Order: sequence, then C-alpha cells, then structure tokens
Amino acid sequence: DVKVTQSSRYLVKRTGEKVFLECVQDMDHENMFWYRQDPGLGLRLIYFSYDVKMKEKGDIPEGYSVSREKKERFSLILESASTNQTSMYLCASSLSGTGVNEQFFGPGTRLTVL
Amino acid sequence: AQKITQTQPGMFVQEKEAVTLDCTYDTSDQSYGLFWYKQPSSGEMIFLIYQGSYDEQNATEGRYSLNFQKARKSANLVISASQLGDSAMYFCAMREDTTAGNKLTFGGGTRVLVKP
Repeated sequence: DVKVTQSSRYLVKRTGEKVFLECVQDMDHENMFWYRQDPGLGLRLIYFSYDVKMKEKGDIPEGYSVSREKKERFSLILESASTNQTSMYLCASSLSGTGVNEQFFGPGTRLTVL
Repeated sequence: AQKITQTQPGMFVQEKEAVTLDCTYDTSDQSYGLFWYKQPSSGEMIFLIYQGSYDEQNATEGRYSLNFQKARKSANLVISASQLGDSAMYFCAMREDTTAGNKLTFGGGTRVLVKP
C-alpha cells in the first residue's frame, strides 16, 4: 500500500514563527505536492516537485517555500506564519506520466496560527 | 476562468437512491485526465475514479460511474444505490497532460449527506 505520512495532524503556532510541515512517501514517487484546503475553495496547490531538488510554484505560493532534498521527503516551510495561513494542509505524491497515476494523499495537518 | 466548476455546494440523497454530482471543466489541452476524490469527515482523500480524455467508454468502478461528455466538457460522477457511508465531500479534479509534474486542479467540492 502506498503510504504518505505527515509529521503532525494538528499544529498550533504563533504569528511570526517559522513553521515546518514534513511529508514522507514510501512508494518511490517522482512527484510530490502541497495543497491547502479551505471551506468552499477546494484544494489549492501551493508548490509541487517532480524530482529531487526541483520545485515549481503552484497557484498560491506566496508566503511559502519548499524543500526536497530526498526523493521521499517534501517539506513545506512557512517563513513567518500569519493568521491567514490557518488552514488544512495536505501533502500528496504520484508517479509521472499519463494514464491513471492518481495522487495519494497524506492525512493532513490542521494548522492554526494565533 | 475557473478550470473546474462544481456547482452544487451540498445535497441530500435518500439511502439506496442514485445521485449525480456535477463537474464541468475548462482546458485547451487535447490530452487530460479527470479524477474524482472522496473526503469523509475523517479528512483523508480517497481516489474514486479516473477518465482519460481519449477514453471512449465512460469509466466505472463498482457503484461509481463517470458520465463523460467531452463536447460539453462535463465529467459528472454518478453514485448508484447510495449508502450512509457515502456521506462525504466529493472533489472533481483535472490533470492537463502537457504540464509537468502531473499536478491536479480541483473544484470547490460538493458535500453529500445520505439520509436513512
């Protein structure tokens, strides 16, 4: 079974703190993704990576950065957390190429910034 | 313009009845894929069904079927014989195959509540 794990299910941080969200997958997937999920807005892509050390901005990258030093691990960094970054954060991974190659999701991290 | 539109924010369905969730998409790519995911209250995203743009037959997976109308750019999910466990958020998503990284664009979701 593909497994995508995220470092925390719940996280509470203060405004201005640096926040690290970690994601690990165990299926040797090339692609990894970070989304945030807000009510009524669905999932919005923050950043994705299609190879080690490669990263691409998604639709809402402002205020975030990412790191992918190893194939299995993709980290999302909030350099200086703000209250509008309170959200559910979902990590996903997938194989490359056409065909199904669906994305597999982690359980999510609910981040609250006070 | 929104790439994926789900016009039904929420709906009720009677147990054992069928329900159709609407999804329209917008792309100029010829090669793309359409996905449906289910998100129960526990929060995990569960992949349900996939339709490729070149697939001529509508996709089916158990009680799930995808009504793919390419000319209308719609990819509606049909759940037959609804069960209480089908109560969840449902997301439609699209992958444009010309872009790197297999990224998905999601719709806003439809919340389904199955009534006993």
